[in-house]
Amino acid sequence: DAKTTQPTSMDCAEGRAANLPCNHSTISGNEYVYWYRQIHSQGPQYIIHGLKNNETNEMASLIITEDRKSSTLILPHATLRDTAVYYCIVRVAIVNSGYALNFGKGTSLLVTP
Amino acid sequence: DAGVIQSPRHEVTEMGQEVTLRCKPISGHDYLFWYRQTMMRGLELLIYFNNNVPIDDSGMPEDRFSAKMPNASFSTLKIQPSEPRDSAVYFCASSLTRIAGVGNEQFFGPGTRLTVL
Repeated sequence: DAKTTQPTSMDCAEGRAANLPCNHSTISGNEYVYWYRQIHSQGPQYIIHGLKNNETNEMASLIITEDRKSSTLILPHATLRDTAVYYCIVRVAIVNSGYALNFGKGTSLLVTP
Repeated sequence: DAGVIQSPRHEVTEMGQEVTLRCKPISGHDYLFWYRQTMMRGLELLIYFNNNVPIDDSGMPEDRFSAKMPNASFSTLKIQPSEPRDSAVYFCASSLTRIAGVGNEQFFGPGTRLTVL
């Protein structure tokens, strides 16, 4: 699986957009970009994933560059509850392959009042 | 749906004792994963099952660790004998196989915080 690089920590003011970058310059054509987050003392939570098109759901938006070497997770209106560690994971998604998630260190996002 | 259920939520035991962690995956999910999280090593995959069959146990640290999945709704992770370095939060997760590239997200339980004295 491709290696990802994320900033160690970021701050964001409540109500503002939080833009979390991820570099995955060695990504392969069949690898997806997944984002999870882990709020303190809880299990990780799936946020969103994508292959090459931008994706949006009720939690966030995922912007993937045209060359797919980097992506940005956008929380459009961050709240204090969004304070968490955010993990960018690149992984092949193949039916019946099962897959392990390599969480890495992630980005610790602090949303401040 | 209640989500992934783990028990106990907290476990304190003494070195040398046997520890059993339990997990009930989301109904209908065909994959089950066991992870361990420590400050030093982060989140690590220990083992995962597909349709109750262990697929990859390469993450299991040593023979003291064993995992079973006797049926689709229950799995255990056992440590015998336990050691202080096993202290960690153990997470269970489940997922449902879908068409390639669609879904496959893993749903995590709340974890079991294990302390071995």
